[in-house]
Amino acid sequence: DQQVKQNSPSLSVQEGRISILNCDYTNSMFDYFLWYKKYPAEGPTFLISISSIKDKNEDGRFTVFLNKSAKHLSLHIVPSQPGDSAVYFCAAGFSGGYNKLIFGAGTRLAVHP
Amino acid sequence: DTGVSQNPRHKITKRGQNVTFRCDPISEHNRLYWYRQTLGQGPEFLTYFQNEAQLEKSRLLSDRFSAERPKGSFSTLEIQRTEQGDSAMYLCASSPGEQYFGPGTRLTVT
Repeated sequence: DQQVKQNSPSLSVQEGRISILNCDYTNSMFDYFLWYKKYPAEGPTFLISISSIKDKNEDGRFTVFLNKSAKHLSLHIVPSQPGDSAVYFCAAGFSGGYNKLIFGAGTRLAVHP
Repeated sequence: DTGVSQNPRHKITKRGQNVTFRCDPISEHNRLYWYRQTLGQGPEFLTYFQNEAQLEKSRLLSDRFSAERPKGSFSTLEIQRTEQGDSAMYLCASSPGEQYFGPGTRLTVT
């Protein structure tokens, strides 16, 4: 039972354009959502988070949008840079992330010049 | 560097052997988590400590797996009688809130 789904295994974007990564979840009790970025041979790196009381959170080039009614969140990266090429994981949890996280399978983003 | 560290980074073992991994969290973080990641999947939760207390264990953590966090500092994850299906990346994370991950230990069981 996959509670967090990332249906696009890969995404290719041209440098300077917007990258949009999507994530769907099934458990309406999740109240905290995060995006992690992972480079090969490294652990996941925290990128940005959003609480269920918000519908948008922004940090520099990264913006996360949350649509609770659709149980959907997305990560926008603009402008995309070659250094953004990595695997991006969506994760969901409870109570501000103090407990276990449920991860999606990841989306591999390739930003090409 | 004061990030989460894990040792060893790689471990190759024969089926049936026991292995132990170590995680050193960020020093002021009282919460510590273990996850397992297999190819093409996201990390899956294994267990969670607050200080030295193990507060939650996943059903993935069979009786061959044991984790400890003595004195609420570093943590160890032991797998007894390893099986080929145990081959995976074992990730440790620590947090005051958002979870910060270590580089992982890649286990290969031959």
